[in-house]
Amino acid sequence: DTGVSQDPRHKITKRGQNVTFRCDPISEHNRLYWYRQTLGQGPEFLTYFQNEAQLEKSRLLSDRFSAERPKGSFSTLEIQRTEQGDSAMYLCASSFPVSSGNTIYFGEGSWLTVV
Amino acid sequence: GENVEQHPSTLSVQEGDSAVIKCTYSDSASNYFPWYKQELGKRPQLIIDIRSNVGEKKDQRIAVTLNKTAKHFSLHITETQPEDSAVYFCAAISPGGYNKLIFGAGTRLAVHP
Repeated sequence: DTGVSQDPRHKITKRGQNVTFRCDPISEHNRLYWYRQTLGQGPEFLTYFQNEAQLEKSRLLSDRFSAERPKGSFSTLEIQRTEQGDSAMYLCASSFPVSSGNTIYFGEGSWLTVV
Repeated sequence: GENVEQHPSTLSVQEGDSAVIKCTYSDSASNYFPWYKQELGKRPQLIIDIRSNVGEKKDQRIAVTLNKTAKHFSLHITETQPEDSAVYFCAAISPGGYNKLIFGAGTRLAVHP
């Protein structure tokens, strides 16, 4: 197991187009998170899955954003009708329950540039 | 909800000196405080963490202290090396928040040879 993997690593898209990012968490991790990070800022929470259930969504996640984790393994984050303000790095992370002494591991991120 | 503040935003030290980064949190129920190191264009990597049942934890040149009463925690790096140069983020988790990490704004540490 090589950790959390994300694809694609870089995406340049024209404003108004749709983009989809994929995250493969560490095997058997039941918790999966999406974060967004812009230059010079800390990661901001977007949404959280426990197995296949999406249990929390940030107010940052507008109607144009949707995330799924259909079988409780990999997850996708789709952005519809992209805007320039969506340009950021989208980070995926996974873990076992933190309360049980586990830690959260991040993927390398997917860089989105909207032109 | 939880709010995490981090200071300073930039820190410049000479190689061999110590560096200290401080964070405060707002939710007294928070019980897990990790620190991540992020190099340019790379993923945040966990370097050390502390849980609310201990006051200090050390791992070689890195230590973290936690003051639950004051709701602040600090990262200490001793004998800094140029490869310590990166952005460091503190974070906190509150039990009621589905274990989501709330991050500070980051500290850019520069270690000069």
